[in-house]
Amino acid sequence: EDQVTQSPEALRLQEGESSSLNCSYTVSGLRGLFWYRQDPGKGPEFLFTLYSAGEEKEKERLKATLTKKESFLHITAPKPEDSATYLCAVQTGANNLFFGTGTRLTVIP
Amino acid sequence: DTGVSQDPRHKITKRGQNVTFRCDPISEHNRLYWYRQTLGQGPEFLTYFQNEAQLEKSRLLSDRFSAERPKGSFSTLEIQRTEQGDSAMYLCASSPYASGEKLFFGSGTQLSVL
Repeated sequence: EDQVTQSPEALRLQEGESSSLNCSYTVSGLRGLFWYRQDPGKGPEFLFTLYSAGEEKEKERLKATLTKKESFLHITAPKPEDSATYLCAVQTGANNLFFGTGTRLTVIP
Repeated sequence: DTGVSQDPRHKITKRGQNVTFRCDPISEHNRLYWYRQTLGQGPEFLTYFQNEAQLEKSRLLSDRFSAERPKGSFSTLEIQRTEQGDSAMYLCASSPYASGEKLFFGSGTQLSVL
């Protein structure tokens, strides 16, 4: 059975304090791993797609990496506006995404 | 690009009533998805359409749930005989890609069943 586990569940950082969020997965036949950001009361917003181990993608203060068993979302020098829930999802053979439960990030000024 | 639009944003209903939600995808997107999200959980897949054809349904989609996408444009999700366990955020997403990646989500319809 496909499984996606995100850790930690919640993370509080001081502004400028870099950290990483983890997404570990057990799936049969990974077609893609996705990172989304979700603000309260809104739908998820696409950030990155990673397809193969060793791949990295960057956007502003965010960098996503992928290994054969897990993905990391690195946040460098975060700002309060980076506060959100970060969701990891995998796409396997089916035409849909299987989401983890997310990491709720709070960045304190 | 006006984004994915969902209506209503909030719906409060009594147990046993029927409810219907509407989703208007981004106009050129041929794939449309419905997901359900409860508090503290990630979105769970319900069903998806390619144009007007409903190609996949989750086992979560009981026979009280039905979705349509007439003419491959907007979509509706109907829940009959609502139960308290149906309370959740119902999210619609659309995608222009054949592989279904990079979904564009709407802001959802929050359903509360009393």
